[in-house]
Amino acid sequence: GNSVTQMEGPVTLSEEAFLTINCTYTATGYPSLFWYVQYPGEGLQLLLKATKADDKGSNKGFEATYRKETTSFHLEKGSVQVSDSAVYFCALSSMGGAQKLVFGQGTRLTINP
Amino acid sequence: DTGVSQDPRHKITKRGQNVTFRCDPISEHNRLYWYRQTLGQGPEFLTYFQNEAQLEKSRLLSDRFSAERPKGSFSTLEIQRTEQGDSAMYLCASSLARGGGNSPLHFGNGTRLTVT
Repeated sequence: GNSVTQMEGPVTLSEEAFLTINCTYTATGYPSLFWYVQYPGEGLQLLLKATKADDKGSNKGFEATYRKETTSFHLEKGSVQVSDSAVYFCALSSMGGAQKLVFGQGTRLTINP
Repeated sequence: DTGVSQDPRHKITKRGQNVTFRCDPISEHNRLYWYRQTLGQGPEFLTYFQNEAQLEKSRLLSDRFSAERPKGSFSTLEIQRTEQGDSAMYLCASSLARGGGNSPLHFGNGTRLTVT
């Protein structure tokens, strides 16, 4: 079946540090890939997505590239801010039909000033 | 766009009791999803509706769980004879499905269930 594996957390960084959160997936066919973010006290929000190989999703300074050869979708940001502190979830959706998302376990990110 | 609304935010119940949660999706969205999230894990798909039709149910959804979406608007998720293992955050999401593709899922803030 389809699955998503994220790097273990929690991750703690200083402001302006470079961020990478690893995500790899197992899926049949060609899934769409997503990063969702959950800020404290809020619901899940879509951060970025990519729907085919070599696509790069980007939003709010975050980027992730759909790498079919390594089945990966790593999240990166060049300079993190305190306001980026949140839980980040990698997810995939199989082709066609409903967006039945399969999520990774989440990575809690804390940015210290 | 007032977002996806879930009620209640928190529910504490004793084992064996029945509980019901409500979800109000974004008004023009025709798809509605239920997910369950336990501590330290990502959300897991439970079921989804397109308009009033329940099109898919996960194996996670035991016979004690039932979901409805009358008239294709709000949805309810009922858990009968609750067990401690049902303690989790129950998330609702909605999206707009069109011929050219699907809009992203919009999630509510969830209902946290604690079974004592």
